[in-house]
Amino acid sequence: GQQLNQSPQSMFIQEGEDVSMNCTSSSIFNTWLWYKQDPGEGPVLLIALYKAGELTSNGRLTAQFGITRKDSFLNISASIPSDVGIYFCAGPYNNNDMRFGAGTRLTVKP
Amino acid sequence: NAGVMQNPRHLVRRRGQEARLRCSPMKGHSHVYWYRQLPEEGLKFMVYLQKENIIDESGMPKERFSAEFPKEGPSILRIQQVVRGDSAAYFCASTNNRNNEKLFFGSGTQLSVL
Repeated sequence: GQQLNQSPQSMFIQEGEDVSMNCTSSSIFNTWLWYKQDPGEGPVLLIALYKAGELTSNGRLTAQFGITRKDSFLNISASIPSDVGIYFCAGPYNNNDMRFGAGTRLTVKP
Repeated sequence: NAGVMQNPRHLVRRRGQEARLRCSPMKGHSHVYWYRQLPEEGLKFMVYLQKENIIDESGMPKERFSAEFPKEGPSILRIQQVVRGDSAAYFCASTNNRNNEKLFFGSGTQLSVL
């Protein structure tokens, strides 16, 4: 079935640094979503992308939907301690099944 | 303005016991999804329900697992005769329409099987 591959698996960065992570798939997705999961909580939707080539921002977060529709990246600028968490990319496999990548675990050192 | 409420947050069961996980969707939401998350992994789809109907249970094991979303009350994920491999975090998400991109997740139930 369709799989979403996220990289890197984990990142350790200094507060203030910029972060970039990406997600690839062997299959085409028509929608790309980025979620963040805080420890002990459920995921929260950060950004939704619907068109190939689309670039969308949400505060310090920027995400792009790749032209081939098989990849997406998420950038975080000027990281702060509360950016710590797991970032998941996700895409609808069918009407009912939202597929999630394995996540990128972000640690921000003050 | 309550979000998706899951209880209990933590559930400990011995092998062979039953586990019941509850999920109250956001007010006005009639679509509920259950996901399972193992440590260091993403979320895996289990089942999608609307009020009184199971729409898609293709991600749920055929034995020991069942789900319901009655007309009144919360959605229930039931695991009978639990085994150690059932230990995981179980998340419920709700939305107000079939376009499930804008999923709102609960805080999850952490099931530990001893």
